[in-house]
Amino acid sequence: EVQLVESGGGLVKPGGSLRLSCAASGFTFSNAWMTWVRQAPGKGLEWVGRIKTKTDGGTADYAAPVKGRFTISRDDSKKTLYLQMNSLKTEDTAVYYCTTDTYCSRTSCYTSAFDIWGQGTMVTVSS
Amino acid sequence: QSALTQPASVSGSPGQSITISCTGTSSVIGSYNLVSWYQQHPGKAPKLMIYEGSKRPSGVSNRFSGSKSDNTASLTISGLQAEDEADYYCCSYAGSGTRVFGGGTKLTVL
Repeated sequence: EVQLVESGGGLVKPGGSLRLSCAASGFTFSNAWMTWVRQAPGKGLEWVGRIKTKTDGGTADYAAPVKGRFTISRDDSKKTLYLQMNSLKTEDTAVYYCTTDTYCSRTSCYTSAFDIWGQGTMVTVSS
Repeated sequence: QSALTQPASVSGSPGQSITISCTGTSSVIGSYNLVSWYQQHPGKAPKLMIYEGSKRPSGVSNRFSGSKSDNTASLTISGLQAEDEADYYCCSYAGSGTRVFGGGTKLTVL
């Protein structure tokens, strides 16, 4: 079964750190660009950042509100995506989803298409 | 404030067609054909409905279609059904490896 499972969410104080994990199964993780998307309570979706495959350079790009504080990494041997969050602010409170930034049809693969999603993990930043 | 503007809400009766717009700028939607659309039911993860502006993933009903004109992308749902009631989000490549979502549109099936 194709699946993404996030973990690591919880309650953290402002200024604190947290690391989220996203375990993949059922597809070739090493071939997929991966993205983190968050959703504050009662709000819309917000793109957080994306990491390319090692083949494509393995680099990451970030949204302005998190750049310099969040780091995305991947361990293809463990089929796991990570989001290291430092200097957390109250406005980072959200459900965090990991998703593949790749949709593959029978013949081709396309980026900028968030196909497989996890169930999300809640991060609450509060004193 | 989102770089992509969507109407906060739209509504339609069963069997009707509705269109949700997603307006960006010449440097976002206008420069790339990389708009995708997502459906999200309450408490659930989003679901990919359209990618590259007008392509449907396998398994998505052909009642859903996408298009783009200049700086505006659109999602049309024809033959509205009760289960289409959900929030819908557009997303576009925004340059320098980044993506941006619209603010979301709540679809009500009357």
